[in-house]
Amino acid sequence: DAGITQSPRHKVTETGTPVTLRCHQTENHRYMYWYRQDPGHGLRLIHYSYGVKDTDKGEVSDGYSVSRSKTEDFLLTLESATSSQTSVYFCAISFSSGVFSTDTQYFGPGTRLTVL
Amino acid sequence: TQLLEQSPQFLSIQEGENLTVYCNSSSVFSSLQWYRQEPGEGPVLLVTVVTGGEVKKLKRLTFQFGDARKDSSLHITAAQPGDTGLYLCAGEGEKLVFGKGTKLTVNP
Repeated sequence: DAGITQSPRHKVTETGTPVTLRCHQTENHRYMYWYRQDPGHGLRLIHYSYGVKDTDKGEVSDGYSVSRSKTEDFLLTLESATSSQTSVYFCAISFSSGVFSTDTQYFGPGTRLTVL
Repeated sequence: TQLLEQSPQFLSIQEGENLTVYCNSSSVFSSLQWYRQEPGEGPVLLVTVVTGGEVKKLKRLTFQFGDARKDSSLHITAAQPGDTGLYLCAGEGEKLVFGKGTKLTVNP
């Protein structure tokens, strides 16, 4: 195990409610990522972080925000959940990143979110 | 935008058969990674290929990176039910780009 936990593991919520997903790592890795995985779309990057308070958008960031106040925690917030955000959300960490890196991404177990 | 196309999308075979999964792109990647994902879990890295033409073997799995570093293949020899899962390729450029995956089912 790469020391990554996600909470909650399952959540059902209603449209319009705020939702926060938590990713916690014990590896002290600099980079953290949030992906969503949907049938027919594969894994798509929502947001990522390259350090405390340093975050950037991925390819599907609309409707999501993130925060990283500590190295070990990366939070994903859906300010007002919609049914289109029903998905499985994965957190990942890596030691390094970028064009000249071949570093492994280690994934958490995922959070299954259902928005009714 | 860098895209990775995986084929086939679904594959159902009998135990003992051989198979090949493909990962293709029009873009050049600095490296390419293969992950396997089991139901209810996150993807787990199998291998990273870095050099054009590189071949890596992991027991019955053989991974190849194309000479131009735009494509890759995964070949499984004598598939077993334990090989069942979703196989994802991911190309490394400015960010990691994932293919949509190949769902493999190996029937006993």
